[in-house]
Amino acid sequence: GNSVTQMEGPVTLSEEAFLTINCTYTATGYPSLFWYVQYPGEGLQLLLKATKADDKGSNKGFEATYRKETTSFHLEKGSVQVSDSAVYFCAFWNNAGNMLTFGGGTRLMVKP
Amino acid sequence: NAGVTQTPKFQVLKTGQSMTLQCAQDMNHEYMSWYRQDPGMGLRLIHYSVGAGITDQGEVPNGYNVSRSTTEDFPLRLLSAAPSQTSVYFCASSKSGTRNGYTFGSGTRLTVV
Repeated sequence: GNSVTQMEGPVTLSEEAFLTINCTYTATGYPSLFWYVQYPGEGLQLLLKATKADDKGSNKGFEATYRKETTSFHLEKGSVQVSDSAVYFCAFWNNAGNMLTFGGGTRLMVKP
Repeated sequence: NAGVTQTPKFQVLKTGQSMTLQCAQDMNHEYMSWYRQDPGMGLRLIHYSVGAGITDQGEVPNGYNVSRSTTEDFPLRLLSAAPSQTSVYFCASSKSGTRNGYTFGSGTRLTVV
């Protein structure tokens, strides 16, 4: 069935370290892909998206590339900051259910 | 620009009580949805609507009702609260879900005792 698998956390990094959060999906066709971020006590915010193969979404220094060959959408950032500490969710638009299908979330903790 | 507004932010219910979680958006979005967020399980869709007068079930609809009488409002009703419904509930809206994803409200933290 349709699903999203993302690396379990927590991921703990020092400030200015390189970040990768892996995400792979199982879906029919080529759905739009998203990364959402949830800061403590808040709702989810759209971080970036990609709507077709080989597209690169980017925002606030974060990037992710839509790889249809590997059905992946890994999130990367070259230099994380303490303010990036949050939970990150990978998701895709599931046409069959008119819904976003989410991964379980990855908690990132950045230490000064 | 208010976006998606959810009320209340916090609620404690006793088992068997009923209540309505309110959701309103001012962006003229056709799509609206309710998700619940539980530790380690990501977000799961409860109900959704693709326009006024149209609703449908998501992954975990049991124990919840919705209606969509206007484009702006999409309330979620708990008919008889159970401890298993303790969760954080998020309302979300989208102009067209496929390419735009959803805009989320700030959530309602519900505890059923």
